[in-house]
Amino acid sequence: AQSVTQPDIHITVSEGASLELRCNYSYGATPYLFWYVQSPGQGLQLLLKYFSGDTLVQGIKGFEAEFKRSQSSFNLRKPSVHWSDAAEYFCAGMFSGGYNKLIFGAGTRLAVHP
Amino acid sequence: EAQVTQNPRYLITVTGKKLTVTCSQNMNHEYMSWYRQDPGLGLRQIYYSMNVEVTDKGDVPEGYKVSRKEKRNFPLILESPSPNQTSLYFCASSPKQGRTEAFFGQGTRLTVV
Repeated sequence: AQSVTQPDIHITVSEGASLELRCNYSYGATPYLFWYVQSPGQGLQLLLKYFSGDTLVQGIKGFEAEFKRSQSSFNLRKPSVHWSDAAEYFCAGMFSGGYNKLIFGAGTRLAVHP
Repeated sequence: EAQVTQNPRYLITVTGKKLTVTCSQNMNHEYMSWYRQDPGLGLRQIYYSMNVEVTDKGDVPEGYKVSRKEKRNFPLILESPSPNQTSLYFCASSPKQGRTEAFFGQGTRLTVV
């Protein structure tokens, strides 16, 4: 079955530290992959997306993600976290035959310590 | 400005009182869908529509109805809301299937007491 897994429910980092949020997908073919961020009380904002090609994808707010087919992963990274990055992050996949349906991971809540 | 608009943003209602959450997009997108977001579960698809008059169930359709009479509008109807439908709801739209991203509304926080 098609699924997207985010193994970490909560992550806490210090401001200025690097960040990596994990995402794995389960399916035969590579889906289109997305990372969204949801700030408290806000809607979903698209950080970046991967369709094909270059496996390192640059997004907004200084985020990047690397697609690794061998690991079925699409991890989100940021070299230096700011306090304003505290939010919930969702990885999502759009699988072939899914009629544009997004399958979301459970989310990772990021806390940033000063 | 290209956008997906949901109304209302917040709603508190009582069990059994029918309600409708509206969704409208101005991008002429064919595909629209509804998701609900619950803690620890991420977002799950409720219903989707490939085009006018074409709708189908998503992963959690029980207790919901939708209609797609016009391309721009895709309302979500709860005929008899129950407390387990307390959730955060998102409407999304996207162009025809392909290399595309979904555009989300701001969300509707529904509480059923």
